[in-house]
Amino acid sequence: DGGITQSPKYLFRKEGQNVTLSCEQNLNHDAMYWYRQDPGQGLRLIYYSQIVNDFQKGDIAEGYSVSREKKESFPLTVTSAQKNPTAFYLCASRASGRDKDYEQYFGPGTRLTVT
Amino acid sequence: DQQVKQNSPSLSVQEGRISILNCDYTNSMFDYFLWYKKYPAEGPTFLISISSIKDKNEDGRFTVFLNKSAKHLSLHIVPSQPGDSAVYFCAASAITSGTYKYIFGTGTRLKVLA
Repeated sequence: DGGITQSPKYLFRKEGQNVTLSCEQNLNHDAMYWYRQDPGQGLRLIYYSQIVNDFQKGDIAEGYSVSREKKESFPLTVTSAQKNPTAFYLCASRASGRDKDYEQYFGPGTRLTVT
Repeated sequence: DQQVKQNSPSLSVQEGRISILNCDYTNSMFDYFLWYKKYPAEGPTFLISISSIKDKNEDGRFTVFLNKSAKHLSLHIVPSQPGDSAVYFCAASAITSGTYKYIFGTGTRLKVLA
């Protein structure tokens, strides 16, 4: 059945290491997004991609990088330059088209803890 | 500058009564609004949406109202059930560089008391 998968569910890293979070969707959606959620805050946009090989920075892109080599995959790398990497990371996708009634579908999230 | 605000961080309601969750926005370019429900350590799930050309949308126990002049929307849940206890996020969208971007509020934690 269709959906978005994120792996792993929990991830632990030492400070100074880069880490890559996986996001895969089989919904045939063109647009994909990465958000982070911190306690007491809403979802903040890190990066988004409308099509393969194209992506744009969101509101808090510093310290992150992405790639979009395949339609189904949108991995997020949290680099050592990210000052506060510990957070809950959510991937989402959206169908594209003229009809605006297309909501975002979210994956289950990855909780990253950096110590 | 927070473009989407949910000023009530929490709300408690008795089972069977109405829950009203509020959301305010500042950007008049937003043309689509959505409500999501989220449980801890899970991704948000879509509940209901409304286009800026409408003022009401209903789906079962959930109704969303939009007041464009006041830049305000609300989610009504009636009757409220214990399973509705979760964090609710409102989101507003506008097209940017050919892609829809979504701005989320900070969420309201709803607790429905049995």
